[in-house]
Amino acid sequence: DAKTTQPNSMESNEEEPVHLPCNHSTISGTDYIHWYRQLPSQGPEYVIHGLTSNVNNRMASLAIAEDRKSSTLILHRATLRDAAVYYCILLLTGNQFYFGTGTSLTVIP
Amino acid sequence: DTGVSQNPRHKITKRGQNVTFRCDPISEHNRLYWYRQTLGQGPEFLTYFQNEAQLEKSRLLSDRFSAERPKGSFSTLEIQRTEQGDSAMYLCASSLEGGREQYFGPGTRLTVT
Repeated sequence: DAKTTQPNSMESNEEEPVHLPCNHSTISGTDYIHWYRQLPSQGPEYVIHGLTSNVNNRMASLAIAEDRKSSTLILHRATLRDAAVYYCILLLTGNQFYFGTGTSLTVIP
Repeated sequence: DTGVSQNPRHKITKRGQNVTFRCDPISEHNRLYWYRQTLGQGPEFLTYFQNEAQLEKSRLLSDRFSAERPKGSFSTLEIQRTEQGDSAMYLCASSLEGGREQYFGPGTRLTVT
């Protein structure tokens, strides 16, 4: 399985930017990088995805290293509603997602 | 768009009993996925369907687990002869073919006593 490595937990102050790192050193040339988040007692929710170039959407930005062995999810202004477990995921062949254990983000008011 | 729904939301069963869970995907989505999530872990892929065809089932945890999607719409996941280790959250997701975004349901929490 293509593995991703993330810190177990991170904290951020409310309204400050958050940078969530992910290492995926075994990534292949065609693997997309996806980020999902899971709020307590809910199913995971799509955040963003990318292949090579940095990506922005209304929820977040995704910065992908030039060698694609790491990426960073950026929440520009953390809110209390952003407290969740964030998963960095590689999409394997056969549409299989490998989730890993994710980063639990705590937002401090 | 009513989203992905799963029933029941909670199931308590005795060891050795069979259980079946249902997933109703978003109506126009032809791909449907099943995952299992245990406490403190990320979701673990089990199987997926494109329309009624089950394209990947090698990750099903044992031969006690089976899934169907007979008409390419809703899907069922059955666990036979449940064991305490089967206690987990079972998540369903759907997507469009070629779509990169999977939409997850709220899950069915199974407790085996």
